[in-house]
Amino acid sequence: DTGVSQDPRHKITKRGQNVTFRCDPISEHNRLYWYRQTLGQGPEFLTYFQNEAQLEKSRLLSDRFSAERPKGSFSTLEIQRTEQGDSAMYLCASSSPGQAGNTIYFGEGSWLTVV
Amino acid sequence: LAKTTQPISMDSYEGQEVNITCSHNNIATNDYITWYQQFPSQGPRFIIQGYKTKVTNEVASLFIPADRKSSTLSLPRVSLSDTAVYYCLVGVLTGGGADGLTFGKGTHLIIQP
Repeated sequence: DTGVSQDPRHKITKRGQNVTFRCDPISEHNRLYWYRQTLGQGPEFLTYFQNEAQLEKSRLLSDRFSAERPKGSFSTLEIQRTEQGDSAMYLCASSSPGQAGNTIYFGEGSWLTVV
Repeated sequence: LAKTTQPISMDSYEGQEVNITCSHNNIATNDYITWYQQFPSQGPRFIIQGYKTKVTNEVASLFIPADRKSSTLSLPRVSLSDTAVYYCLVGVLTGGGADGLTFGKGTHLIIQP
């Protein structure tokens, strides 16, 4: 499978714990995006990387959230001191800006439940 | 803020053609229009992308008028499995910044037998 891969697919954690999600983009894509989606809403943009550089962050990305892409390949999204409001599906996507239209391709998401 | 506006929901029947329109009045010169399909608990799946006029693939057609301020996704002969939420996205990083990466609420399409 050469699509965007996310791990874990599901995570249940207690409030106050830290969680980390991993994303492996499509191999030739140098842009990587993180989104959050709650029930009944469209995906909300969090941040994106071009190679290893984090170029844009949404105001939704509070200081408890941090994303990295150290070698310009896979990325991690860490949430510290989780709160119940963090329960959502976290989506990763990737794209190749050299492709006309810069089409974004999504992974299947990582579900987070904070109890 | 999302750069697009779509109907919240639509209903149709199996075998019918369904057209979903998206408004994007502030589309920029370099912006492309991309449509996604999303089933519950899954990530959005790319359907089709276009810049102007008409684009067709094995799944759908996309119609874009000359002023590009709207677009219409056309699904021929829908089936029950086409029940999903459909999103249009405009201007992914071609000048819109984070706004170009912001999804609206999408259109919930329900297909009945």
